[in-house]
Amino acid sequence: EVQLLESGGGLVQPGGSLRLSCAASGFTFSNYAMSWVRQAPGKGLEWVSAVSASGGGTFYADSVKGRYTISRDNSKSTLYVQMNSLRAEDTAIYYCAKGVKIQLWLHFDSWGQGALVTVSS
Amino acid sequence: QSVLTQPPSVSGAPGQRVTISCTGSSSNIGAGYDVHWYQQLPGTAPKLLIYGNINRPSGVPDRFSGSKSGTSASLAITGLQAEDEADYYCQSHDSGLSAYVFGSGTKVTVL
Repeated sequence: EVQLLESGGGLVQPGGSLRLSCAASGFTFSNYAMSWVRQAPGKGLEWVSAVSASGGGTFYADSVKGRYTISRDNSKSTLYVQMNSLRAEDTAIYYCAKGVKIQLWLHFDSWGQGALVTVSS
Repeated sequence: QSVLTQPPSVSGAPGQRVTISCTGSSSNIGAGYDVHWYQQLPGTAPKLLIYGNINRPSGVPDRFSGSKSGTSASLAITGLQAEDEADYYCQSHDSGLSAYVFGSGTKVTVL
């Protein structure tokens, strides 16, 4: 059974940093592209960032480009996102989402339970 | 502002059929990229409902069906049930943005 478990969420001040992790199990992590998707309180889903199966390709939404860095450690089956220069509008539940193949730009067949990030003074 | 446009809400009585539209453009749905649908029950993570425009993952009831034409796609729910009350999102790829794109979301209410 595929499991994705996010951690690292919490309260951070504007301008601060936070790193989220997503521990994956139940599948061969290194064979799948992975993404982060967020959902602001009461709002819809917004794709944030994606990384290729090898980790060599990374992609970002314009809203986080230059502030967020996605990475993965295939030896630990773990996905990360380093979030810097955080703003109030980054407040959201952050979901780890599994792609369906090595290639990007398809759909997400499994989601974690989410990690809440609150940016506030 | 979402790249893919959905109606904010649809409603229907138990047993009825409802449809949710998802309208894109020539850089996403109209470019031939597949449309996928997710169901999000209150307080839970999204769940894949339809992939590749028309395909249902194992375990998804056949009351749910998808279609695509031109720059739009649709999700139909037939035989509406109380447990179908949820938010529904379409998703595709936009080549101009080099991004996954989601619809604005539609809340389905069972009357």
